[in-house]
Amino acid sequence: GAGVSQSPSNKVTEKGKDVELRCDPISGHTALYWYRQSLGQGLEFLIYFQGNSAPDKSGLPSDRFSAERTGGSVSTLTIQRTQQEDSAVYLCASSLAGGGSANEQYFGPGTRLTVT
Amino acid sequence: QQQVKQSPQSLIVQKGGISIINCAYENTAFDYFPWYQQFPGKGPALLIAIRPDVSEKKEGRFTISFNKSAKQFSLHIMDSQPGDSATYFCAAKAPNAGKSTFGDGTTLTVKP
Repeated sequence: GAGVSQSPSNKVTEKGKDVELRCDPISGHTALYWYRQSLGQGLEFLIYFQGNSAPDKSGLPSDRFSAERTGGSVSTLTIQRTQQEDSAVYLCASSLAGGGSANEQYFGPGTRLTVT
Repeated sequence: QQQVKQSPQSLIVQKGGISIINCAYENTAFDYFPWYQQFPGKGPALLIAIRPDVSEKKEGRFTISFNKSAKQFSLHIMDSQPGDSATYFCAAKAPNAGKSTFGDGTTLTVKP
């Protein structure tokens, strides 16, 4: 079946503009994660959705970052008033469930964001 | 405070050699330790994972060694091949925690 898809694959924006990044998880996966990967760095957790529970927003770096998950499926990560330090690859992942330790996360290919 | 420390940052190995990547963690509540492989332009993909009730897990040429008392775990790639050239991430997850905590990654280059 189809894996996790993300769009756009690349996004170049000017400093100060708002951007929206989209993630389509694997069908049936109730858990969805957003991570940020800066050049040469590891994965930085941003936000986690599990079913109808309140999302874990503990990784969002500032109030310019927000995310929604509509209908328990598609998610949108929004970055307002983008800054150059926001430039990174934004990765989305989904899993069957989030609470159990061994629920494998399947990653999408990422959106490469460049803020000029 | 970095909860999962990974080393080395980069590694060059000759074809047929053994690649070893190490990770150390701090949170004793972690109970699931996966390794991910990431090729350029792709998202990470699960390679192999271990729970702390075993000291070793092997899948083909890939082995995880786990030392609970030292809070360390490592990935061994036997008979390394050029196709193994990628970035490898260790991670750790606690029970009932949605997020995984990742190491900073190791870029492996296997020379033919």
